Amino acid sequence: AQKITQTQPGMFVQEKEAVTLDCTYDTSDPSYGLFWYKQPSSGEMIFLIYQGSYDQQNATEGRYSLNFQKARKSANLVISASQLGDSAMYFCAMRELNAGNNRKLIWGLGTSLAVNP
Amino acid sequence: DTGVSQDPRHKITKRGQNVTFRCDPISEHNRLYWYRQTLGQGPEFLTYFQNEAQLEKSRLLSDRFSAERPKGSFSTLEIQRTEQGDSAMYLCASSLEQTPGEKLFFGSGTQLSVL
Repeated sequence: AQKITQTQPGMFVQEKEAVTLDCTYDTSDPSYGLFWYKQPSSGEMIFLIYQGSYDQQNATEGRYSLNFQKARKSANLVISASQLGDSAMYFCAMRELNAGNNRKLIWGLGTSLAVNP
Repeated sequence: DTGVSQDPRHKITKRGQNVTFRCDPISEHNRLYWYRQTLGQGPEFLTYFQNEAQLEKSRLLSDRFSAERPKGSFSTLEIQRTEQGDSAMYLCASSLEQTPGEKLFFGSGTQLSVL
């Protein structure tokens, strides 16, 4: 069964330092996509980064990078040079790509990140 | 680009009442999604439209829930005979991409409280 696990309910990081948010996943579909979204206190989910299961390189988007380890089924988000505005909930999500017209995302429970000045 | 807007932001209702939420997606986006999020959880998929066609509906959705997107633009989500377990944040998202890395643009949600 498809599942996303985020084991860190809360994380703290000092401003300007890097932080890694963990995500492991489970799927029997060999073709899948992994996503990270940020949810500030305003409630609006914001797309951060995407990694396809067949992508050869780890995805990067500005200060965000995804440490994709396929054999371990992990897709950790790395935020470099943390900023105060990075304080938010962070969700890992997955979509199985071989399931016909499936557009459904399966989400983890999220990790709350607090950036300290 | 005005973003995805949802109305109302908050709704308080009594158990047994019907409620309707509206979502206006980004204008050129042909895909529209509804998700539900309860406190301390990630979002749960409810349903998805491509243009006006409802292509997927979660088994979590009971017969009390119905969603429409009559002209392929805005969408409504109606909950009939609300129950306390329906209390949640209802999130709407839209997208245009037809790629595996489809990026969803979310609204700020409608927070429903059923008393």
